[in-house]
Amino acid sequence: QSALAQPASVSGTPGQSITISCTGTSSDVGAYNFVSWYQQHPGRAPKLMIYDVSNRPSGVSNRFSGSKSGSTASLTISGLQAEDEADYYCASYTTTNTLVFGGGTKLTVL
Amino acid sequence: QVQMVESGGGLVKPGGSLRLSCAASGFTFSDYFVNWMRQAPGRGLEWISSISSSSLYIHYADSVKGRFTISRDNAKNSLYLQMNSLRAEDTAVYYCARDNGDYVNDAFDIWGQGTMVTVSS
Repeated sequence: QSALAQPASVSGTPGQSITISCTGTSSDVGAYNFVSWYQQHPGRAPKLMIYDVSNRPSGVSNRFSGSKSGSTASLTISGLQAEDEADYYCASYTTTNTLVFGGGTKLTVL
Repeated sequence: QVQMVESGGGLVKPGGSLRLSCAASGFTFSDYFVNWMRQAPGRGLEWISSISSSSLYIHYADSVKGRFTISRDNAKNSLYLQMNSLRAEDTAVYYCARDNGDYVNDAFDIWGQGTMVTVSS
């Protein structure tokens, strides 16, 4: 199972919106609406930000939103803040009942 | 509070074995799918194994299949990962995590802090 494709890095200024893409195949992202997104700050464990493509867990800011079209999922962060600077990973359930992560995207808030 | 705490990491020689443990607390452990992930130094996350609440369903990533064994003891609220035939490329921080209990085992809402495994001679 190959890793999902994410851009290595994205950047934005405070208050802007940014979008991170996550491209898979018909065996993962394209197969189900079971895509999740994680935020990871250096030296910390990942934190679930979005699940089932567009659902936010309790306590996650509504500045974070998710969507999907075909085999590409997207995470949008609006009203960018300094504390959003982190690595972001997408993940998808697959047709073999396994999970596959994306390679990760480093978000820099300029 | 709801938490998961890994232990058992350390330095091991290539070809050696190690058993990781993950202690869960603050929730009904026996109700949830649980998973192991890992992250090599400076690299991304990799899912490696999952086990259903009753241990009926177990899955592995191809990279560890045949070498690693996942298990759980619901009476002890514990998850385990037996790692055999270790290789240098298994060097990573290993995380245990709980699925959020939604439709399938696909979203991990509680993570441990991680335990470091180093495979080196």
